[in-house]
Amino acid sequence: GAVVSQHPSRVICKSGTSVKIECRSLDFQATTMFWYRQFPKQSLMLMATSNEGSKATYEQGVEKDKFLINHASLTLSTLTVTSAHPEDSSFYICSARDPTGRTGELFFGEGSRLTVL
Amino acid sequence: GENVEQHPSTLSVQEGDSAVIKCTYSDSASNYFPWYKQELGKGPQLIIDIRSNVGEKKDQRIAVTLNKTAKHFSLHITETQPEDSAVYFCAAARPAGGNEKLTFGTGTRLTIIP
Repeated sequence: GAVVSQHPSRVICKSGTSVKIECRSLDFQATTMFWYRQFPKQSLMLMATSNEGSKATYEQGVEKDKFLINHASLTLSTLTVTSAHPEDSSFYICSARDPTGRTGELFFGEGSRLTVL
Repeated sequence: GENVEQHPSTLSVQEGDSAVIKCTYSDSASNYFPWYKQELGKGPQLIIDIRSNVGEKKDQRIAVTLNKTAKHFSLHITETQPEDSAVYFCAAARPAGGNEKLTFGTGTRLTIIP
C-alpha cells in the first residue's frame, strides 16, 4: 500500500521556539494532505487540509498563525508550530490521499510527538 | 457537521473469542466508513473500509457491517489474537469532490487476554 512518512517522530523543544514537522508521500503524488492532532487517549482531531500550491484550510478553532502549513510540492507538506508552548505538546499526525486511488482512502504517517518544555 | 460516536471505549476479550465495536454517525450524506488500528506511538493503519453501496465486507478475520437506515456500522474481529490488541477508530466521510474529510470516533481500546 501507499506509504506516508513523517519526520521527526519525536521532538523536544523549549518554550518559545518553533518546530517544523514534515509529511512526505513516498510513492504517490498527494494533492491533498491532512494534519491532525491527538491528545493522549483521545481521538484524532482534524486541524487543517493542505492543498498543493494553495493556502491551507483550517478547521474552526485552529490558529493559522500558530500552526503554519506549507504544501509546496506534490510529495511534501510541512507543519510548523510557531512559538511553541507546553500546551502545544501533542501527537501530530498527517495523512495523504492518493488521487489515483479509491475515493476517500487516506494513508497516515507514523505521527510526530512534540514535547514543549 | 458529522458526529461519530463509538462504543465501547474499552473492550477486553479472551484470545480466540470475537470482538465487536459499534459506531453511529449523524450525517446521512456520509458514504465512506473506514476502520483504523492504532498501536501505541504510531499512526493509524487502515484495516478495512466500507462504502454506502455495500452492507457487509469481510477480509479474513475482520468484517464490517453497515446499516444506512439506522446510520450505524460495526467492526467484527473473529478468532482474536494478542496482536489484535490496539486502539481502533471508526470514521465517516461524506463526498467532497476528492477532498473528503474524515470524522473519527472516540476510539476503542481492545485488549486480548491470552
